[in-house]
Amino acid sequence: AQSVSQHNHHVILSEAASLELGCNYSYGGTVNLFWYVQYPGQHLQLLLKYFSGDPLVKGIKGFEAEFIKSKFSFNLRKPSVQWSDTAEYFCAVKWATGTASKLTFGTGTRLQVTL
Amino acid sequence: GAGVSQTPSNKVTEKGKYVELRCDPISGHTALYWYRQSLGQGPEFLIYFQGTGAADDSGLPNDRFFAVRPEGSVSTLKIQRTERGDSAVYLCASSLNGAGDTQYFGPGTRLTVL
Repeated sequence: AQSVSQHNHHVILSEAASLELGCNYSYGGTVNLFWYVQYPGQHLQLLLKYFSGDPLVKGIKGFEAEFIKSKFSFNLRKPSVQWSDTAEYFCAVKWATGTASKLTFGTGTRLQVTL
Repeated sequence: GAGVSQTPSNKVTEKGKYVELRCDPISGHTALYWYRQSLGQGPEFLIYFQGTGAADDSGLPNDRFFAVRPEGSVSTLKIQRTERGDSAVYLCASSLNGAGDTQYFGPGTRLTVL
């Protein structure tokens, strides 16, 4: 079955530390990849996405992610986190099979940035 | 422009009751999705509409769940004979055309079944 794994459930970092959140998916083929963020009290917002082309994609607020097809991975990175990055981060995958349009999400990673 | 809106924001009901949850997508978006998010989990797909028709309802857990989108805009998720296990946040998303488009999410409806 198609699944998405996020290995870090809860991450605590100090401000200015570097961040890397892991995301792996279970099944190959053509995929569209997404990272969504949910700030406290807010709804899910798109952080960045990969459809094709350069496997290193840049999103909002200084985030980037790298698609490594051979590893079925799409890890999220930020060189220097801020307190305002405290949020829950979700990796999501859409497999391009038939008319499938649904997103399959990981369980999320809760990031807590301390001052 | 306005984003995806969902009403009510919170719904408390008793086991066995019927509930309706409403989603108003972004204007002009033809694709609409329902997801369910349980505590500590990521959103799980329920159903996808392209226009008025359900293009993929493979995520509906059983026949107590039903969704409609009669005019290709607003959608209603209907749950019959609610059970405590139905308690979750129900999320709606819309996208311009479906398939490869980015999905934009609403704030969700928190359903609590007592």
